[in-house]
Amino acid sequence: DAGVTQSPTHLIKTRGQHVTLRCSPISGHKSVSWYQQVLGQGPQFIFQYYEKEERGRGNFPDRFSARQFPNYSSELNVNALLLGDSALYLCASSLGGSGNTIYFGEGSWLTVV
Amino acid sequence: GESVGLHLPTLSVQEGDNSIINCAYSNSASDYFIWYKQESGKGPQFIIDIRSNMDKRQGQRVTVLLNKTVKHLSLQIAATQPGDSAVYFCAETPAGGTSYGKLTFGQGTILTVHP
Repeated sequence: DAGVTQSPTHLIKTRGQHVTLRCSPISGHKSVSWYQQVLGQGPQFIFQYYEKEERGRGNFPDRFSARQFPNYSSELNVNALLLGDSALYLCASSLGGSGNTIYFGEGSWLTVV
Repeated sequence: GESVGLHLPTLSVQEGDNSIINCAYSNSASDYFIWYKQESGKGPQFIIDIRSNMDKRQGQRVTVLLNKTVKHLSLQIAATQPGDSAVYFCAETPAGGTSYGKLTFGQGTILTVHP
């Protein structure tokens, strides 16, 4: 079975541009979360979606938005990119509910120049 | 330009030794704890998890210990192998409800295994 898949794997954007990152959860998983990981740090929570509804939001500006589709895949959008947005963006999925294992994809490497 | 270096704790061991990686968590409401292994350029890989109603759980070559009194978590790796070299993160999440899925990650520890 496929794990959590993310696209694109690498991308370079210019300051002020917009980016859309995509995630397909493990089949049967209804919960998708997004994390930002900058070099040398642990992942930081951005959003969680469950059954197409936003269930949690981390301490990120409104330039960050996300949505979950009926097939449970998800998109993370970042507007007005800043150099500091350069990071590895990770998607994680789970069945949802306490105690269910949370699995991560390999991430999308975003470089803002 | 300014360079950013890694300031994570490091642990160096010889192949075949046992490794112990420690983690302190801050949220006493956390109910579920997970250890992840992250190799360079890859996403975090699930290793083992534990619920707050347990104090020990064993997997294949790995054991997680939870001490809720002092809010401490540890990962023990038996017979450490060079392939275990990676950054190890602990993560916590509160029980159920809308908070589930929001993992809070620890600082991370760089494990280096020498042949």
